Amino acid sequence: RKEVEQDPGPFNVPEGATVAFNCTYSNSASQSFFWYRQDCRKEPKLLMSVYSSGNEDGRFTAQLNRASQYISLLIRDSKLSDSATYLCVVNSGGGADGLTFGKGTHLIIQP
Amino acid sequence: NAGVTQTPKFRVLKTGQSMTLLCAQDMNHEYMYWYRQDPGMGLRLIHYSVGEGTTAKGEVPDGYNVSRLKKQNFLLGLESAAPSQTSVYFCASHRDSGNTIYFGEGSWLTVV
Repeated sequence: RKEVEQDPGPFNVPEGATVAFNCTYSNSASQSFFWYRQDCRKEPKLLMSVYSSGNEDGRFTAQLNRASQYISLLIRDSKLSDSATYLCVVNSGGGADGLTFGKGTHLIIQP
Repeated sequence: NAGVTQTPKFRVLKTGQSMTLLCAQDMNHEYMYWYRQDPGMGLRLIHYSVGEGTTAKGEVPDGYNVSRLKKQNFLLGLESAAPSQTSVYFCASHRDSGNTIYFGEGSWLTVV
């Protein structure tokens, strides 16, 4: 089975700090990559797609390293509202082995 | 645009009862999935479908059945509910491999 690995955390970070976490994937044929955010007792929601050239959305930056098979998420100037679980998602074409979720990284922003 | 809608949102079942969860999407997506998520754990794939009329087993299919008679609907059935099936169930769908995966809001099931 294709694997997606994340550090479960929790990452305890003071408000205003910068935090980064990685996700590694095993399927070199993976086609698309995403970061999802999941709040407690809620469904996962798309945070951002991850493109080969890297992409930024406000305080969030995502990068893809195909050679080393990992994606990363950087959060700058963290807010209390950033506290959540961040899921790495790798899509290799749909179906059981095509769509793989990491177990998530739990982030806690402390005042 | 409703996106992905799951019904019911909450249900309490007695051991041995049967029920069906409905997932409906209005985005003409080919791929649909049913996951369960237990406290402090990741999403586990139960069954999935790559198109109308097709279904396949995921990681934890035992005790569940599914059907995809219409492209927009993916049904998850529990024939004889067990306490181990107490969980929150998420439906998800997407168009193809490069597209965003959309989730329903979840269905909270308790089996007593």
